[in-house]
Amino acid sequence: DVKVTQSSRYLVKRTGEKVFLECVQDMDHENMFWYRQDPGLGLRLIYFSYDVKMKEKGDIPEGYSVSREKKERFSLILESASTNQTSMYLCASRLRSSGIQHFGDGTRLSIL
Amino acid sequence: GENVEQHPSTLSVQEGDSAVIKCTYSDSASNYFPWYKQELGKRPQLIIDIRSNVGEKKDQRIAVTLNKTAKHFSLHITETQPEDSAVYFCAASKPTSYDKVIFGPGTSLSVIP
Repeated sequence: DVKVTQSSRYLVKRTGEKVFLECVQDMDHENMFWYRQDPGLGLRLIYFSYDVKMKEKGDIPEGYSVSREKKERFSLILESASTNQTSMYLCASRLRSSGIQHFGDGTRLSIL
Repeated sequence: GENVEQHPSTLSVQEGDSAVIKCTYSDSASNYFPWYKQELGKRPQLIIDIRSNVGEKKDQRIAVTLNKTAKHFSLHITETQPEDSAVYFCAASKPTSYDKVIFGPGTSLSVIP
């Protein structure tokens, strides 16, 4: 069974801090994704990576960056956290030959 | 780019009735259409998917239909049960591994016992 693990379920940070959200998958999937989930707005794609060291902007990349140095790990970075980045963040991975995304449990991030 | 719309945003049905959620997409190159279910406080999980070479797919009480000409697809849940209560997301993606998956805004389904 595919396992996608996000490092924290809940995280509280202060405005201006640099924040790292980590995601690890154990199934050798090529593709990995970061989404933000807000009420009424669904799942909005922040960044995705189709392979190691590869990244593509999603629909809302402003204020975020990502890192994919190893195949199993995809990190989301908030360079200088702001209160409007308070949200639920979901990571997902996908095998290239399959359309199926597997999600982590999410990180609920609060920026104070 | 691709845009996926989903209706209704909320849906309440009596237990045992059917529920239908509809989605439209804009990019005719999209060929894979999954549906995800997200229960409260849990991760989204795939419940059914359909590819563009198929018009309909069924899995027990759940079915999905696809109309490529009209660029819309629908989720049908029959004999609804309280455990079907959740948020349902439709999505669309294109064939290559370099393409992102675009989700609809979600439908909150409540099944009233």
